[in-house]
This record gives sequence, C-alpha cells and structure tokens, in this order.
Amino acid sequence: EVQLVESGGVVVEPGGSLRLSCAASGFTFDDFAMHWVRQAPGKGLEWVSLITWDGGTTYYADSVKGRFTISRDTSKNSLYLQMNSLRSEDSALYYCAKDKGWLTWYFDVWGRGTLVTVSS
Amino acid sequence: QSALTQPAAVSGSPGQSITIPCTGTSSDVGGYNYVSWYQQHPGKAPKLLIYDVNNRPSGVSNRFSGSKSGNTASLTISGLQAEDEAEYYCSSYTSSPTLVFGGGTKLTVL
Repeated sequence: EVQLVESGGVVVEPGGSLRLSCAASGFTFDDFAMHWVRQAPGKGLEWVSLITWDGGTTYYADSVKGRFTISRDTSKNSLYLQMNSLRSEDSALYYCAKDKGWLTWYFDVWGRGTLVTVSS
Repeated sequence: QSALTQPAAVSGSPGQSITIPCTGTSSDVGGYNYVSWYQQHPGKAPKLLIYDVNNRPSGVSNRFSGSKSGNTASLTISGLQAEDEAEYYCSSYTSSPTLVFGGGTKLTVL
C-alpha cells in the first residue's frame, strides 16, 4: 500500500524552528518528485514546496522562500521540511504529497498531515 | 502569487449537474494546460479528481469532468450524489514556477 506518514508538528514560539518529516512506503521513492502543502485551520490549501526526484531542484512559495528548506533522503525514503523564523501565519496542517510522476505538479497520494502551531 | 478565484459555495439536488468555475490569469490557468481539481471531505486529505484540465485518474468516477476556456477552468459534476458533498479546490502550474490553488468551493447536495 502506498503510504505517506508525516511527523514533527508541535507548538512552537514565533521566531522558532521546526523540522517536519514524511516517511514514504509502498512505491519507489526515487522515481517521484515530492511536495509539501499546508492548510490553515478552516482555510484552503496552499502549496509550500517541491523537490525533484533526485533532490537536485527545489521550488518554494513566496510566503516561505528564504525561511523553509525542503530535502529528501533516499536511503530512508523520507522527505523533510526545515522551517525557520516561524510566524503565526505558518500555523497549519502540513501535508506531504507525492507527485503523480517525475514532475507533474499533481498530487496523487497525500499523508494525513502534521499540525504546526506557532504561538507564544 | 494570488489564489485562483472560485465561488465560496455552490449547491444542487441529487441527480442534477453543477459546474464550479476557477478563474486565474494568463500566467497560470490561461497559460498552461496544467490545471487540476481536488475533492476534500471534512477531516480528510484531498483527493485528485482531474489533472491536465480534463483527465481523470484511474478510479475516479466519470461523473467528474473538467474543461478550460481562456483564463477560466471548470469542474462539472453530473448526476449529483450525497457523497459528492465536499470542498473542491482547483490548482494550476504558474510561470514562476510554482503552484497556486483556488480558495475552495463548498458543495452542498440539497
């Protein structure tokens, strides 16, 4: 079964840092780009970041550029999101999502999400 | 990058058809055929319904269809069923390159 399981979400103070993880299973991790998408409570979806299958290229939403870093570890079938200089507006459920292909910008598998709350 | 524009809510009766529009710009919806639609039930992760404007992934009902004209994409759901009640989001690749979502449309089946 194809599965994505996120972890690492906690309550953190403004200005703090956090690293989210996503464990992938049931598919060949190396073959697909991966994304992070977030959803603030009661709000819509917001794409956050993308990393290509080989980790060689990354893209970010303007709202997180310069503060967040996406990475992947093929040996662990894992995706990460390093989040620095956190703001209250970063509070959201963070989903890990598998690209439908090599790089299609479509998400065919989603995790259940991990909740990040930025508050003092 | 501004969010794509969707109506906040639409409704329809069982068996009817409804259409949800999604309006962007020439830098996203109008410039590329990389438009997709997602369905999200409360408390659940989104599900891919449509990609490349009008293609359905395996397993998605043919009651769901997509189209595009200029800067506006549309999702049509025919033969409405109670289980279609959910939030629907469009998304598009952009020239940045990034991905932008619509604000979401809540579908109520009367």
